[in-house]
Amino acid sequence: GAVVSQHPSRVICKSGTSVKIECRSLDFQATTMFWYRQFPKQSLMLMATSNEGSKATYEQGVEKDKFLINHASLTLSTLTVTSAHPEDSSFYICSASDRGTEAFFGQGTRLTVV
Amino acid sequence: GEDVEQSLFLSVREGDSSVINCTYTDSSSTYLYWYKQEPGAGLQLLTYIFSNMDMKQDQRLTVLLNKKDKHLSLRIADTQTGDSAIYFCAESPGGATNKLIFGTGTLLAVQP
Repeated sequence: GAVVSQHPSRVICKSGTSVKIECRSLDFQATTMFWYRQFPKQSLMLMATSNEGSKATYEQGVEKDKFLINHASLTLSTLTVTSAHPEDSSFYICSASDRGTEAFFGQGTRLTVV
Repeated sequence: GEDVEQSLFLSVREGDSSVINCTYTDSSSTYLYWYKQEPGAGLQLLTYIFSNMDMKQDQRLTVLLNKKDKHLSLRIADTQTGDSAIYFCAESPGGATNKLIFGTGTLLAVQP
C-alpha cells in the first residue's frame, strides 16, 4: 500500500514554544490530508481536513490559531502547535488520501510539552 | 452527534475466535473500516466493507454489517497473541471517503 511518513515520531518541547509536525505522502499525491489527535487510552478525534492550496477545514472546537495547518504541496502537510502548553501533549496522527477507498496513516507523533 | 461506540475490553484465549462489536451513527457512511493499533504505534487498516454489503471475509477476518441496526462486527478466527491490540471501527460520514470518525476502541487481550 501507499506510504505516509510522519516526522518527528517523538518530540518534547517547553511550554510556550511552537512545534511543527510534518506529514508526507511518499509515493502518491494527496490532495487531501487529515489530522487527528489521540489522548491516552482514547479514540482518535479528527482535528482538521487539510486541502492542498487552500485553507484547512477545522472541526468544531479546534482552535485554528492554535493548530496551524499548511498544505503547500501535493505531498506535504504540516501541523504547527503554537505556544504549546502541557494540555496539548498528545499523540497526533495524519492520514492522506489518494482518492481511493483507503486513507493511509502516518506513524504518529508523540508530543510532550513540559 | 457522531458517536461510534465499541465495548472497551475483550479477553480471549489463544486459538479462540474474537468478536468485536461496533455501533455507528451515520447511515450515509459509504465505507466502514476496522483498524488495529499496537502500543505507541500508528494505525493499520485491517479491512473495510462497502455499505451495500452485509459480509466480507478476508483470511481470518470476517466483517458483518447490519445496516438497519447500524451495527458492525469484526470476527477474528484462531486468535493469536500477536492479535493483542486496540481495534477501532470507523465510519466515513456523509459518504466522505477518507474522512473518518473513529469508534472508542476495543482493547483485545489474548491469553496464551
